[in-house]
Order: sequence, then structure tokens, then C-alpha cells
Amino acid sequence: EVQLLESGGDLVQPGRSLRLSCVASGFTFHDSAMHWVRQAPGKGLEWVSGISWRGDVIDYADSVKGRFTISRDNAKSSLFLQMNSLRPEDTALYYCAKPDRDGYWGLGTLVTVSS
Amino acid sequence: EIVMTQSPATLSVSPGERATLSCRASQSVNINLAWYQQKPGQAPRLLLSGASTRATGIPGRFSASGSGTEFTLTISSLQSEDSAVYYCQQYDHWPPSFGGGTKVEIK
Repeated sequence: EVQLLESGGDLVQPGRSLRLSCVASGFTFHDSAMHWVRQAPGKGLEWVSGISWRGDVIDYADSVKGRFTISRDNAKSSLFLQMNSLRPEDTALYYCAKPDRDGYWGLGTLVTVSS
Repeated sequence: EIVMTQSPATLSVSPGERATLSCRASQSVNINLAWYQQKPGQAPRLLLSGASTRATGIPGRFSASGSGTEFTLTISSLQSEDSAVYYCQQYDHWPPSFGGGTKVEIK
């Protein structure tokens, strides 16, 4: 059974940092490009960042570029998102996902940025 | 980035009736298009990928068609449990991109 388990979400003040983690199982993580997708309350799905299976291709949405850093550890089947200089508009449920023909998603971890 | 546009934003359909949802891509995505269903408080659930291939466990009343830039999701006989938001998503080009969603309501 495929599982993507996110963690690390929290309530933080603007300007602070958070590190999200995602542990994968049930598929060949080390062969898979992985992504973070977020969903603000009552809104649609927004792609945040993606990383190739080898980690050599990385991209970010303009809204997070320069503030967020994606990384992975294939030996531990883990995906990470370092989030710095957080803003209220970053408040969302963050999903770890393999949004291709397989369509694997975690349940999400909630990040709330508020003073 | 490829822009995905879904229509209508909201669709109200009676039980047993057919629901037809549309998705348009700003450039060709071939058949690398997925449809997701999302209910309140839940993660997106894959319905179909490869434009028309149902995911495991998805009922046969869900079907899809299209290629290139125009795609359609059809729910042939709407059930009460089909009330949800439906998203299309292309995975042909990096980065993956999502439509804004169509909310399906039961009349």
C-alpha cells in the first residue's frame, strides 16, 4: 500500500521558519520525482515545488522562490521542504505528492502563519 | 507554465443524471492529464489518468476523454456520494499544474 506521511506543520509567526517532512512507502521513491502542493483554506490546489528523482532538477513557484528549499533523502525515502521567511499567505495544508499518472498524495500537514 | 482552465465552476445535477465537466490546457499536454476528486477534509483522490484510464477502485460511472488541449470528465449517473470538487491536472510538462476546480452539487 502506498503511503505518504507528512509532518512538521505548525502555527508560526510571520518571518519564522518551518521544515516539513514526508516519508514515503509502497512505491519506488528513489525513481520518482516528488512535489509539494498546497491548498489554502477554501481554495484550490497550488503547486509549490518539485524535485527530480536524483535531485538534480528543482523548481519553485514564483510565490515561494528564494524562501523555500526542497530536498530529498532517497536512502530514507524522505522529502523535505525548508520554509523560511514565512508569510500569512503561506497558510495552507501542504501535501507531499507524486502527481503524475500514479497520483499519490499524502493527507497533508497544516501550516498556519499568524501573529 | 501550462494554465489549466476548468468549467463550469459549479455544476448542480440531479441524482441519476449525467454530469459533464470540462478542462482546457493552454498548450498541448498530449494525454498526460489526471482527474481528481476532493471531498471536504480529504486529500485529492485520483480518479483517472492518461486522460481516460480509471484508477484502482474507481466506479465505472466515471469516464473521461480528450487529448491535446481539450478534456472532459463524465459522471454517467450521479450518486449522492459524488458531491465534491473535481480538479484536472496536467503532468506532461514541468511543473505540474491544476485547474481551478469544478464543484459538483446534488440537486
